[in-house]
Amino acid sequence: GAVVSQHPSRVICKSGTSVKIECRSLDFQATTMFWYRQFPKQSLMLMATSNEGSKATYEQGVEKDKFLINHASLTLSTLTVTSAHPEDSSFYICSARDGTVPGDGYTFGSGTRLTVV
Amino acid sequence: ILNVEQSPQSLHVQEGDSTNFTCSFPSSNFYALHWYRWETAKSPEALFVMTLNGDEKKKGRISATLNTKEGYSYLYIKGSQPEDSATYLCALSSSNTGKLIFGQGTTLQVKP
Repeated sequence: GAVVSQHPSRVICKSGTSVKIECRSLDFQATTMFWYRQFPKQSLMLMATSNEGSKATYEQGVEKDKFLINHASLTLSTLTVTSAHPEDSSFYICSARDGTVPGDGYTFGSGTRLTVV
Repeated sequence: ILNVEQSPQSLHVQEGDSTNFTCSFPSSNFYALHWYRWETAKSPEALFVMTLNGDEKKKGRISATLNTKEGYSYLYIKGSQPEDSATYLCALSSSNTGKLIFGQGTTLQVKP
């Protein structure tokens, strides 16, 4: 079945540095990639939607200059948390949509636990 | 703003018990209802996608029903096994844009 590889699974970084998270679709072309964030005891919250080759669409309240999303190819999307601060510590997870599969076809990565110290 | 509610938040059952969870959502602007099973340190695994009122789907010992008019879906697990222990997420999409609105999940613990 469809697989999305996400890494790193865990990262600890210093405040003020940037962190890049990668999601790769291994056996299908991800025409659309979704990035979610989950704070403790809360639900997965959509941050942004990206389509290959175009700019990402950010949800209300998500800073596009802080969370840079690149979806330059049909198999790779990256989320860069720039100038990270402790409040950015969270669980980040991507989901890729296989455009050839109608209806369902959402495949998730395994997530990245970011801790900013 | 769409709001998806799941209950209970957590559940502890004995092996062999049958159990069910609820997902509630606003009945307007409905497009599809998704159920996922999420084990710790793994990717959420798609269980069901349902679009039609009255839909019933089954996968082994797990089944789900959908009522779009009253805005709820039930997930049933028959004869729970320890390997069923996971967090079960439901998510609503209100259009074909692909955006999913998730509930907080129900965490199931099955004791042997």
